[in-house]
Amino acid sequence: SQTIHQWPATLVQPVGSPLSLECTVEGTSNPNLYWYRQAAGRGLQLLFYSVGIGQISSEVPQNLSASRPQDRQFILSSKKLLLSDSGFYLCAWSGPGQGNNSPLHFGNGTRLTVT
Amino acid sequence: EDQVTQSPEALRLQEGESSSLNCSYTVSGLRGLFWYRQDPGKGPEFLFTLYSAGEEKEKERLKATLTKKESFLHITAPKPEDSATYLCAVQPITGNQFYFGTGTSLTVIP
Repeated sequence: SQTIHQWPATLVQPVGSPLSLECTVEGTSNPNLYWYRQAAGRGLQLLFYSVGIGQISSEVPQNLSASRPQDRQFILSSKKLLLSDSGFYLCAWSGPGQGNNSPLHFGNGTRLTVT
Repeated sequence: EDQVTQSPEALRLQEGESSSLNCSYTVSGLRGLFWYRQDPGKGPEFLFTLYSAGEEKEKERLKATLTKKESFLHITAPKPEDSATYLCAVQPITGNQFYFGTGTSLTVIP
């Protein structure tokens, strides 16, 4: 069966510090991968998605970036965090390929607090 | 622009009191509509996928239905363990994105 791992579970970082959140998927090949952010009391905002190694699509311009160095690894980064980057970050995967209608499956998220 | 709106924002029910949650959407073409349950501090858990108007899916006390403009999540005789936030998402036919509504926070009182 497929599993998705996200770490760390919680993170407190000062303003201006760098960020690296990692997500890995097991039990499937060539998944579509996604990063979402959920602010308190709000819905999920799509940040990035990837349909293959090195292929990244950005939904919202901001000081975050994403990379997919391996088939089942997705990394969210920032060079300098802002207070507004605080939130609950969720990684998700779905079935492979363009135009696939399989559902998203989520990890348990990283709670990021920027102080 | 693809958009998803959920109502109500919050709903309090007595145990056994049935109700419905609404998800209305605007999308150029719908590939699928998805319902999720999210418990506090956790990632969303997949419940249902609906693909075309008239389709229905059931799981225990939950039933999801779909029309051309909205979806309903019906909760029959809810129990306290059904308390959670329920999220709706759409996937447009033109891409791989999934767009979410802001959710309905359901509280079931014993």
